Amino acid sequence: NAGVTQTPKFQVLKTGQSMTLQCAQDMNHEYMSWYRQDPGMGLRLIHYSVGAGITDQGEVPNGYNVSRSTTEDFPLRLLSAAPSQTSVYFCASTGQDRQYFGPGTRLTVT
Amino acid sequence: KQEVTQIPAALSVPEGENLVLNCSFTDSAIYNLQWFRQDPGKGLTSLLLIQSSQREQTSGRLNASLDKSSGRSTLYIAASQPGDSATYLCAARTGANNLFFGTGTRLTVIP
Repeated sequence: NAGVTQTPKFQVLKTGQSMTLQCAQDMNHEYMSWYRQDPGMGLRLIHYSVGAGITDQGEVPNGYNVSRSTTEDFPLRLLSAAPSQTSVYFCASTGQDRQYFGPGTRLTVT
Repeated sequence: KQEVTQIPAALSVPEGENLVLNCSFTDSAIYNLQWFRQDPGKGLTSLLLIQSSQREQTSGRLNASLDKSSGRSTLYIAASQPGDSATYLCAARTGANNLFFGTGTRLTVIP
């Protein structure tokens, strides 16, 4: 049981490039979410999904897209990277009210 | 919008001391409150979950309390150890499974 996995662990992008952060869970949780963590600001919700085919925006959705074609996978796409998207990104799934977090992806946009 | 505050931002204590971490939230209409631990460069690990109908939860040396009416939660750590050194975050859940996080308290336990 791997829990929540995220790839890559580190990524450097140039401004304007696009990329996809991968997230997968093997706990059969319906609810999954993406957060970003910035110094002094805590974790903020980007997008979430309550099940396959259903996604919705969180607090800071601009510049990001998500899709949920399967229960297991919930990728986060950066459409055109900006320096303001430099952050640590965490994926989480929720089961029985408890959140399980992945190890994070540290993204730097230059 | 729910605002969650954690004070102090950093705390250093000698090994063996009991300590309390504080968390406050502005909207008392929460579904539950969770305490997490985050080690440097790692993800978050859920420590304790308190439902809105509960007053406290315990796990080993950890005890978390919840007072919805005053918008406060505390995490009590008994007999602290160097391995307890980490950042502790609290998060209040509102409807639709959304969590609102505090900025955390960085704890250092000195051997």
